[in-house]
Amino acid sequence: SYELTQPPSVSVSPGQTARITCSGDSLPKKYAYWYQQKSGQAPVLVIYEDRKRPSGIPERFSGSSSGTMATLTISGAQVEDEADFYCFSTDSNNKGVFGGGTKLTVL
Amino acid sequence: QVQLQESGPGLVKPSETLSLTCSVSGAFISTYYWSWIRQPPGKGLEWIGYIYYNGSTNYNPSLKSRVTFSVDTSKNQFSLKLSSVTAADTAVYFCARIIPRYDSSGYYFDYWGQGTLVTVSS
Repeated sequence: SYELTQPPSVSVSPGQTARITCSGDSLPKKYAYWYQQKSGQAPVLVIYEDRKRPSGIPERFSGSSSGTMATLTISGAQVEDEADFYCFSTDSNNKGVFGGGTKLTVL
Repeated sequence: QVQLQESGPGLVKPSETLSLTCSVSGAFISTYYWSWIRQPPGKGLEWIGYIYYNGSTNYNPSLKSRVTFSVDTSKNQFSLKLSSVTAADTAVYFCARIIPRYDSSGYYFDYWGQGTLVTVSS
C-alpha cells in the first residue's frame, strides 16, 4: 500500500524556520496537502496543492514540492504553531493516505 | 457556514458493528464528496474512505471488507458502518467534506466535524 513518510518530530526556537518533509513515490504526480492539528481539535488545512495557502492561514506557512518530497516551511515559527502536522496525498486509485505525522515543538 | 456533526454510540462491543452518522448543515450533501477519517488515541490520522451522493464509494483497502458508507440526501446526512470491530478500531472518528481536483491529481478536506470517540470494549 502507498505510504507517506514524515519525521516524527521537529524542534525549533521561536523565530526560527521549521521545515517538515513528506516523502512519497506518487508525489511527482499527485498534490500534497498539509494539516495542522492541535491537541483535542480537528485538523486544519494550512497548505493545499503543494504550495497554496487557504485564507486565514498566516503567511509564515508555505509549501513546496520537488520530485518525491513535499516540504512544509514555517518561517519565523511562533509558540502558537506547536502542533502535530500531517501531510496528505492520494494514490493512483484516488485512495487517500496521511503521513505518520510530525510533532512540531517551538521552545 | 458549513458545519458537520458526528453522532452515534460512544461504546461498541467487540465483534459488533460500529455505526456513525454525519449531519451536514450549510451545504447540500448532493454537491460534494464526503469522507470519514479516524484517529486512534495518541496516534496519527487514517483515511477510511469517501462517498459521493450517488452512492459511489472509495474505501481504504485495509478496511474495505468491513466498511460500508451510505448517504441520505433527504436528511443531508451520510453514514459509516464498520463491522466486526476490535479494540484496534477504538478511535476518534471524523467526518469531512472533500474538495476535489477534477483532473484526479488530488483532493482535500476543507470542513471537518469535531470528531467523536468510539471505544470498543466489552
